[in-house]
Amino acid sequence: EPEVTQTPSHQVTQMGQEVILRCVPISNHLYFYWYRQILGQKVEFLVSFYNNEISEKSEIFDDQFSVERPDGSNFTLKIRSTKLEDSAMYFCASTGENTEAFFGQGTRLTVV
Amino acid sequence: AQSVAQPEDQVNVAEGNPLTVKCTYSVSGNPYLFWYVQYPNRGLQFLLKYITGDNLVKGSYGFEAEFNKSQTSFHLKKPSALVSDSALYFCAVRPINQAGTALIFGKGTTLSVSS
Repeated sequence: EPEVTQTPSHQVTQMGQEVILRCVPISNHLYFYWYRQILGQKVEFLVSFYNNEISEKSEIFDDQFSVERPDGSNFTLKIRSTKLEDSAMYFCASTGENTEAFFGQGTRLTVV
Repeated sequence: AQSVAQPEDQVNVAEGNPLTVKCTYSVSGNPYLFWYVQYPNRGLQFLLKYITGDNLVKGSYGFEAEFNKSQTSFHLKKPSALVSDSALYFCAVRPINQAGTALIFGKGTTLSVSS
């Protein structure tokens, strides 16, 4: 069964450092997303990406965040200068034209 | 504002009893509706969805959900709970009938099934 894969599973970084979270969406999917979940709380939408550009973003997705699909298979989320409050579980998801969203296992980001 | 409400933080049931996890939504138009389950330290797993048609939809692991348009609800149900059903359950909606629109999630309900 196809799945969304995310690496790393856990990332620890110092405040102010840049991090890149990586995702490989399902190969024939067209829409890609990043969500985050702070400590088992509500899942919050960050950004969606379609046709090599951002199609929608939330107020959380400020100038510190960026996304990229560098090579046609990977989908990355970059946080330029991490803050303590960026500590969360980050989920990548992808969908086809009219399918449900498939989520990866998540990357736990810990900013110290 | 568009939103999803899961009024219960936790639902406790005994194994073998029926369970219901409640969800109501407030979005414009005709949304797509979803339930996801999250086990500890895991990602979100799709359970079922409502797009159109029969108001009662069946999904994975014996779960089903009933769409009620007049009450704007989409409650998750299972006739006989298992201890292994214990997890965090999220209701989600896609507010516009367009592919690619982001999901809006409820806050989640922890289901605890006792043996």
